[in-house]
Amino acid sequence: GAGVSQTPSNKVTEKGKYVELRCDPISGHTALYWYRQSLGQGPEFLIYFQGTGAADDSGLPNDRFFAVRPEGSVSTLKIQRTERGDSAVYLCASSPRATNTGELFFGEGSRLTVL
Amino acid sequence: AQSVTQLDSHVSVSEGTPVLLRCNYSSSYSPSLFWYVQHPNKGLQLLLKYTSAATLVKGINGFEAEFKKSETSFHLTKPSAHMSDAAEYFCVVSRYNQGGKLIFGQGTELSVKP
Repeated sequence: GAGVSQTPSNKVTEKGKYVELRCDPISGHTALYWYRQSLGQGPEFLIYFQGTGAADDSGLPNDRFFAVRPEGSVSTLKIQRTERGDSAVYLCASSPRATNTGELFFGEGSRLTVL
Repeated sequence: AQSVTQLDSHVSVSEGTPVLLRCNYSSSYSPSLFWYVQHPNKGLQLLLKYTSAATLVKGINGFEAEFKKSETSFHLTKPSAHMSDAAEYFCVVSRYNQGGKLIFGQGTELSVKP
């Protein structure tokens, strides 16, 4: 597609459930980022992939959060045993390569609500 | 450590009047600074960037920002607001040598009145 695609756009789940959020980056972009945006806040970095490997996962809040990118394209963010505090918009972004220019191309996000 | 502070959570202007969105930064290194815009139900979009070239940076849709090292500021301006400018604006700094790890401010919501 022309832009970064994220699915689902909205997800409502119950506390304790497992959730997967998918990101399809712009074709040919090797770098992929996940950010989390809580209500009234700016986005916060979670994890960065260069190709298939997680180059930096320092932003993941705890071990309930995990992300994969097995073929170097689509990525899945996985959240186990969801908590109400996980409610946020999860943003995916990509760039042609590991960028030092800060120009990322963002998707519209997946809004997660944990009841 | 690097951080940005957006001084106003909400700014309201009338159509055709100037826009000023204020941002101060803190950085141990020469910073790379950006403004991103987020329209409702749209993805974040890069508006403009400063990466140690000209201190006055021009972006899309008539916006510009001036890097002032002495004031540690990077304010966003536009001479004449348009209704379509209504959105959330984020001032952003990137971590040293880690351009994709962006540090966002809390955002400024811009409202434009007819």
